[in-house]
Amino acid sequence: KAGVTQTPRYLIKTRGQQVTLSCSPISGHRSVSWYQQTPGQGLQFLFEYFSETQRNKGNFPGRFSGRQFSNSRSEMNVSTLELGDSALYLCASSLEGQKETQYFGPGTRLLVL
Amino acid sequence: DAKTTQPTSMDCAEGRAANLPCNHSTISGNEYVYWYRQIHSQGPQYIIHGLKNNETNEMASLIITEDRKSSTLILPHATLRDTAVYYCGPKAAGNKLTFGGGTRVLVKP
Repeated sequence: KAGVTQTPRYLIKTRGQQVTLSCSPISGHRSVSWYQQTPGQGLQFLFEYFSETQRNKGNFPGRFSGRQFSNSRSEMNVSTLELGDSALYLCASSLEGQKETQYFGPGTRLLVL
Repeated sequence: DAKTTQPTSMDCAEGRAANLPCNHSTISGNEYVYWYRQIHSQGPQYIIHGLKNNETNEMASLIITEDRKSSTLILPHATLRDTAVYYCGPKAAGNKLTFGGGTRVLVKP
């Protein structure tokens, strides 16, 4: 099976712009979670989607949003980018619920200038 | 959120076993402990997970203390390709992984 794929892999934006990141989960996986990883804060949970619905949400401002499509592919959007949004954004998919292992994609490295 | 602590770094000789400790003293009773590793800022790679009992797979073994406040990941025969940052942590309610700061493992020839 193909693993989790994320596009684009690298992105450079300027402050105030918005960005959309894409994630395709492992075939058959219905849960998609998004994480932000930075050297200072480590791995932080953004949100989880399941069956096109946001099921769980972390402590991030409303500038961070996401959605999931009927084929389980997911996108996350960050509006009005700030310098502090520079990070590795990771997507992880799992079959369904709490007891399932999450498998990560390669990540999208976002640099905000 | 549960607080997880790990040693910052560790060296290991190639071919020897590497024992990586993790402290998760505030873990809840139904939270699994997960271990991942990450190489060169790629996505974390799943290694192993467990709840109460010790677990073993083709990559590693996981030893969880009886009180579940700590665990140890064992790489039985470390190779140079095992050089990575190793993360542990519980998967909390809401399908949320929470990692510690990670242990940077350097396998030396």
